[in-house]
Amino acid sequence: GAGVSQSPRYKVAKRGQDVALRCDPISGHVSLFWYQQALGQGPEFLTYFQNEAQLDKSGLPSDRFFAERPEGSVSTLKIQRTQQEDSAVYLCASSPGAGGYNEQFFGPGTRLTVL
Amino acid sequence: RKEVEQDPGPFNVPEGATVAFNCTYSNSASQSFFWYRQDCRKEPKLLMSVYSSGNEDGRFTAQLNRASQYISLLIRDSKLSDSATYLCVVNPFPSGTYKYIFGTGTRLKVLA
Repeated sequence: GAGVSQSPRYKVAKRGQDVALRCDPISGHVSLFWYQQALGQGPEFLTYFQNEAQLDKSGLPSDRFFAERPEGSVSTLKIQRTQQEDSAVYLCASSPGAGGYNEQFFGPGTRLTVL
Repeated sequence: RKEVEQDPGPFNVPEGATVAFNCTYSNSASQSFFWYRQDCRKEPKLLMSVYSSGNEDGRFTAQLNRASQYISLLIRDSKLSDSATYLCVVNPFPSGTYKYIFGTGTRLKVLA
């Protein structure tokens, strides 16, 4: 079956531009996570959705970052007024159940470069 | 102290060697633990969950030591294809968050 997909795979933005990153989770998966991975580091948690509810957004680095999952399936991570420090790979993961005991299935990521 | 700490390596080992990685975590209330594998420029994939009783999957063995707050991964009879970064993951649930915490990863290179 289809895994988690993300688009675009690569995005180059000029500083100050807004970007939108899309995640299509595995169909029927309840949980959806966004992570930011800088070069040479592990993924850092950004936010968590359980169906359409955003239950944890404690990892969003600033109010320029916004995520939504309005119908409980596709999710969009939006970054406003991008800065150079936003350059990273943004990973989306989905999980069949709720809570913290399940395997997460990751998408291939979106590599964002802010010039 | 970081919430999850790993030795970044790299660990360079010959084929057939046994290699072990440790990962320490700071939140004693953490409930679930995992090892993920990440190949260069690819997404992380689950290698194995770590249970209190320990678990084994072929050449891979994972252990949890709650008293000392660390988990370990042992790889026996290393293969070239084991070369990757191994990420330790801790979920501090039920602290009230759903925040999975990843370590920085340990790089393994298996040499012919």
